[in-house]
Amino acid sequence: DIQVTQSPSSLSASVGDRVTISCRASQAISNSLVWYQQKPGKAPNLLLYGASRLESGVPSRFSGSGSGAHYTLTINNLQPEDFATYYCQQYYSDPVTFGGGTKVEI
Amino acid sequence: QVQLVQSGAAVKKPGSSVKVSCWVSTSNLKATAISWVRHIPGQGPEWMGGIIPLFNTTDYAQKFQGRVAITADESTSTVYMEVTGLRSEDTALYYCARRAGGCMTTRCYLDKWFAPWGQGTLVTVSS
Repeated sequence: DIQVTQSPSSLSASVGDRVTISCRASQAISNSLVWYQQKPGKAPNLLLYGASRLESGVPSRFSGSGSGAHYTLTINNLQPEDFATYYCQQYYSDPVTFGGGTKVEI
Repeated sequence: QVQLVQSGAAVKKPGSSVKVSCWVSTSNLKATAISWVRHIPGQGPEWMGGIIPLFNTTDYAQKFQGRVAITADESTSTVYMEVTGLRSEDTALYYCARRAGGCMTTRCYLDKWFAPWGQGTLVTVSS
């Protein structure tokens, strides 16, 4: 199985900040990566797929980039509603696997 | 957009089984593919398996083969996930989630990510 490692596991930020979260796979995954946002007590919500394609309805302050085995989620101009836990998931090979999450806190 | 609504929390004894339901707000369950994901707090989510109702085919993560069964009831638009031989390590939140894409008539065009998700069902295994 492909191992997916996220870093950092948590970070502190302020409203208006730019935040970057890293996701590293144990092998190259050819942009086969999605990002989810999860708020406490809620189900995960899809943000981006194909590493950089924004899901419909997701604000443009969210963006994704990367290649090979290393990918990044960037949140520009952090808003109060963005404080949550973020997960990446690879779908390059079965079984799909998830990162351990990054909690974005105030 | 399709909504997924899961059954409520359950407390089970070690060695017993649990069956979690996931109602899908569609009149045509065959147009969807549903997966189950387990989330133990403090760890990353874990894909358990899924079903494609159009073909009534299932696939499971190797870790859960033989202990998890996923079924679908088209008449009630409900997908079920049963876990047998429960142990304390199975205490977790269990989510159903729709695979991106869909199925039409005789073919499916599916991606391997998930949206939307059900609200989650907490299963606690304790003696």
